[in-house]
Amino acid sequence: GAGVSQSPRYKVAKRGQDVALRCDPISGHVSLFWYQQALGQGPEFLTYFQNEAQLDKSGLPSDRFFAERPEGSVSTLKIQRTQQEDSAVYLCASSLGGRGRRETQYFGPGTRLLVL
Amino acid sequence: GIQVEQSPPDLILQEGANSTLRCNFSDSVNNLQWFHQNPWGQLINLFYIPSGTKQNGRLSATTVATERYSLLYISSSQTTDSGVYFCAVDTQEGGAQKLVFGQGTRLTINP
Repeated sequence: GAGVSQSPRYKVAKRGQDVALRCDPISGHVSLFWYQQALGQGPEFLTYFQNEAQLDKSGLPSDRFFAERPEGSVSTLKIQRTQQEDSAVYLCASSLGGRGRRETQYFGPGTRLLVL
Repeated sequence: GIQVEQSPPDLILQEGANSTLRCNFSDSVNNLQWFHQNPWGQLINLFYIPSGTKQNGRLSATTVATERYSLLYISSSQTTDSGVYFCAVDTQEGGAQKLVFGQGTRLTINP
């Protein structure tokens, strides 16, 4: 596709429910990032993949958050036992090169998660 | 970690006016990007500019890396320029290129 796509665009979950957010990066992009954006704030880094390898997960807020990219393309961010503080926009970004390359990151439209 | 501060936090202008948005950062950077987040939440790339000056139509940006700041200029602003402008930097040498964002400048252009 022409850009990064994410689904669903909106998700309402009841507290305690598990959710899965999908990201389709730009075809051929090696690097994939997940960010979390709280209301009125700038995005904050969650985790980074180079192909299928998760090389940095220092931003994941708790062990309820889990991300994977098994075939080096599509990625899924899973949140288990959602809490109200998980409500945010989850943004996915991709860039062409791997770790060490300084390049433009292209962002998807985000998934807006509301936990009731 | 690195601190990124953007100013002003809010800016309200009439259509046709010019504006300057500032981004200060507390450490040397390997990457600096400017984004526009439209009302639907989409982050749109404006510039990749770790140093120097770039121009794209009515927008231009300058980063003075030695003095740790970047400026985004918008000339002859239009209502479609409204939204939040973010500056984001990366300091990781050889590591994952994780961006650290400022708090943004909310720009409102009135007709």
